[in-house]
Amino acid sequence: IQMTQSPSLLSASVGDRVTLSCKAGQNINNYLAWYQQKLGEAPKLLIYNANSLQTGIPSRFSGSGSGTDFTLTISSLQPEDVATYFCQQYNSWYTFGAGTKLELK
Amino acid sequence: EVQLVESGGGLVQPGRSLKLSCAASGFTFSNYGMHWIRQAPTKGLEWVASISPSGGSTYYRDSVKGRFTISRDNAKSTLYLQMDSLRSEDTATYYCATADGPGWFAYWGQGTLVTVSS
Repeated sequence: IQMTQSPSLLSASVGDRVTLSCKAGQNINNYLAWYQQKLGEAPKLLIYNANSLQTGIPSRFSGSGSGTDFTLTISSLQPEDVATYFCQQYNSWYTFGAGTKLELK
Repeated sequence: EVQLVESGGGLVQPGRSLKLSCAASGFTFSNYGMHWIRQAPTKGLEWVASISPSGGSTYYRDSVKGRFTISRDNAKSTLYLQMDSLRSEDTATYYCATADGPGWFAYWGQGTLVTVSS
């Protein structure tokens, strides 16, 4: 299943509300996860089942959507949120999107 | 605290073999399915292989079927990936990760770099 993320690069300011998009090539129900990967580090799970926050993840992160269209929202961008964000479907095996690189403006 | 530590990566010539290890601690290893996921330099993430908690079931992406073998030793809390007939397109950082729920990856190791080049 093809996963398409947009935009590929996003510039935002500290305190901004940021929205990242992920579209699946077919219905994946809510079988979607979001990961954050900082430079030189392993990915970290943020959200699973489209909208469930992983333990220990700040509440400024939230996920929404079902079917084919999904969104990761950061309610108030912090400097430590600079990273690349990947979505992943697990409705049929496992595929990842190409990522959205988030940088500070 | 869950810890996953990969090892065994390095530079290898095309057609040769390499075996990766992932040492697990901080959780009951034998209760969890495990995955290998790779990331080519400056590229996205790609699932490679999975294994059930007992090791009785294994799954692979098509491009590595017949060349890679995932296995585990629950007594040693260690996951393995035997990679044979390596190709340049296998060059990547390889991560081990825990299987959680229907298919998200909750915990990841720091990764080990495999470079296939002559």
